[in-house]
Amino acid sequence: EAGVAQSPRYKIIEKRQSVAFWCNPISGHATLYWYQQILGQGPKLLIQFQNNGVVDDSQLPKDRFSAERLKGVDSTLKIQPAKLEDSAVYLCASGTHLYNEQFFGPGTRLTVL
Amino acid sequence: RKEVEQDPGPFNVPEGATVAFNCTYSNSASQSFFWYRQDCRKEPKLLMSVYSSGNEDGRFTAQLNRASQYISLLIRDSKLSDSATYLCVVNGGGGTASKLTFGTGTRLQVTL
Repeated sequence: EAGVAQSPRYKIIEKRQSVAFWCNPISGHATLYWYQQILGQGPKLLIQFQNNGVVDDSQLPKDRFSAERLKGVDSTLKIQPAKLEDSAVYLCASGTHLYNEQFFGPGTRLTVL
Repeated sequence: RKEVEQDPGPFNVPEGATVAFNCTYSNSASQSFFWYRQDCRKEPKLLMSVYSSGNEDGRFTAQLNRASQYISLLIRDSKLSDSATYLCVVNGGGGTASKLTFGTGTRLQVTL
């Protein structure tokens, strides 16, 4: 079974630039999550989707971050404009149900200079 | 108080030792609890779910104490390959809009 796919794996940009990350969840998984993991910390949930609807985006900095899952399958997370403090690993995860195990992708390591 | 708190460690233990990690959570309505393992520069992976009655998987035992709002993970006969960060994860409770909250993780280093 194919796992959660993410691209790119690494991205280096300058502050105030824009960046987008892509995630393809495990086939059939209804729930999809985006997390931000800063070095030395646990993952912090940014947004979670159930199919193509947003379940929770309370921790998403909406002035600069946006995410969509238009057809209920793959998803994109965008940062516009990026700040230095956005440097982190962005993890995508998917699951069959809100209360069940989440399967994580390899993450995208973002460096903002 | 943080939603999920863990001792960041590191815990340095010799091979064969028994080590225990604790994790406390603040939301008494939390419904689901998990331990995830994260290797250096890798993604988190589920180690085990934590059930009210406690559960065991080989050398790993997880316990839940709802009254005191803490979860524990016990690793017996530690192996070098157990070296990793162990993340305590709590489902926040509150219906369908629940979210998983991760602790900062406890780093374990098993040495020869």
